[in-house]
Amino acid sequence: EAGVAQSPRYKIIEKRQSVAFWCNPISGHATLYWYQQILGQGPKLLIQFQNNGVVDDSQLPKDRFSAERLKGVDSTLKIQPAKLEDSAVYLCASSVWDRGLEQYFGPGTRLTVT
Amino acid sequence: GDSVTQMEGPVTLSEEAFLTINCTYTATGYPSLFWYVQYPGEGLQLLLKATKADDKGSNKGFEATYRKETTSFHLEKGSVQVSDSAVYFCALTSTNDMRFGAGTRLTVKP
Repeated sequence: EAGVAQSPRYKIIEKRQSVAFWCNPISGHATLYWYQQILGQGPKLLIQFQNNGVVDDSQLPKDRFSAERLKGVDSTLKIQPAKLEDSAVYLCASSVWDRGLEQYFGPGTRLTVT
Repeated sequence: GDSVTQMEGPVTLSEEAFLTINCTYTATGYPSLFWYVQYPGEGLQLLLKATKADDKGSNKGFEATYRKETTSFHLEKGSVQVSDSAVYFCALTSTNDMRFGAGTRLTVKP
């Protein structure tokens, strides 16, 4: 079974620029998560989708971050405009259903904002 | 809110040494507990899990027991290998989203 796919793997941008990350979850997984992992910390949930609906986006900085999962499959996370503190690894994960079950993670996108 | 606290690293061991990484949690309800491992340049991989009190999760020689009385889920391995060098994350889910500890970096030297 194919794992969670993410692209790009690395991205370097200047502050105030915009950037987008793409994620394709494991086939059949209804739930998709985006996490932000700052160096030396554990992942922090940004947003959770159930099919194409948002379940939890309480920690998403909505003034600059947006995410969508239009057809209930792949998803895009966007940052506009980027700040220096957005430098982190952005992880996408998916699970079969809701909370309580293990999540499967993609390799992540390492973002550097200069 | 729910949270996980794990021992700070880094941890450096010699090959074949015994490993313990401590993890304690705070949660309402009855969480499921997980250990994830992150190898350099890769995403997180599930190492083991336990879904109720007294359950023992095990995989690849690693073990952890869900201790409700001490709210702990310590990771152990009897004999580590160089290939076990990675960052280990303790995590929980309950009524909220998955919460991760800060991670413990393990380096195993030959």
